[in-house]
Amino acid sequence: DGGITQSPKYLFRKEGQNVTLSCEQNLNHDAMYWYRQDPGQGLRLIYYSQIVNDFQKGDIAEGYSVSREKKESFPLTVTSAQKNPTAFYLCASNLATATYEKLFFGSGTQLSVL
Amino acid sequence: QKEVEQNSGPLSVPEGAIASLNCTYSDRVSQSFFWYRQYSGKSPELIMSIYSNGDKEDGRFTAQLNKASQYVSLLIRDSQPSDSATYLCAVLMFSGGYNKLIFGAGTRLAVHP
Repeated sequence: DGGITQSPKYLFRKEGQNVTLSCEQNLNHDAMYWYRQDPGQGLRLIYYSQIVNDFQKGDIAEGYSVSREKKESFPLTVTSAQKNPTAFYLCASNLATATYEKLFFGSGTQLSVL
Repeated sequence: QKEVEQNSGPLSVPEGAIASLNCTYSDRVSQSFFWYRQYSGKSPELIMSIYSNGDKEDGRFTAQLNKASQYVSLLIRDSQPSDSATYLCAVLMFSGGYNKLIFGAGTRLAVHP
């Protein structure tokens, strides 16, 4: 089955620690995205990537980093500089960024601070 | 003013009724509009997209777009308890040098038997 796989489902971060959220897709999509969702709020764009080895900051990129070494993979690192990391993180992909037609979402990772 | 605004709800409707969800947006030149459904703890799934003024129907769902008034709505006919979820309105906007999808905070719908 084609789709987007996010792991882990739940993640706990200690103060000062960097953690990495995994996102893998086998849909052959060029564009991939990371969103953050806080309770009672809409999804906010953290980073996006249109092609391998290229990515751009979204609206709330501070304290996060990404890489796009392979078309299938777009991991997100939450660094110690992100002071309020507790949120639901969603990875998404689609064929092209221009139209945003039918974003496919992963199942999400809930990140909490210990 | 938020770029995409929705009433947070909850909107409570009896089973079999019509649920009406509304969304307003700030960018007059936006052309693409989407409704996503999100069950608690799950990821959003696209249920409707609309690009032209007027109505677009798909099964029990009807999306309505009025660009002059800058609002888009979603009607759910014959509401079922399984429709209970949060509905996210999303608008494609050009901002900061690139196209981006701006999501509203969502409206929580509760359909009671």
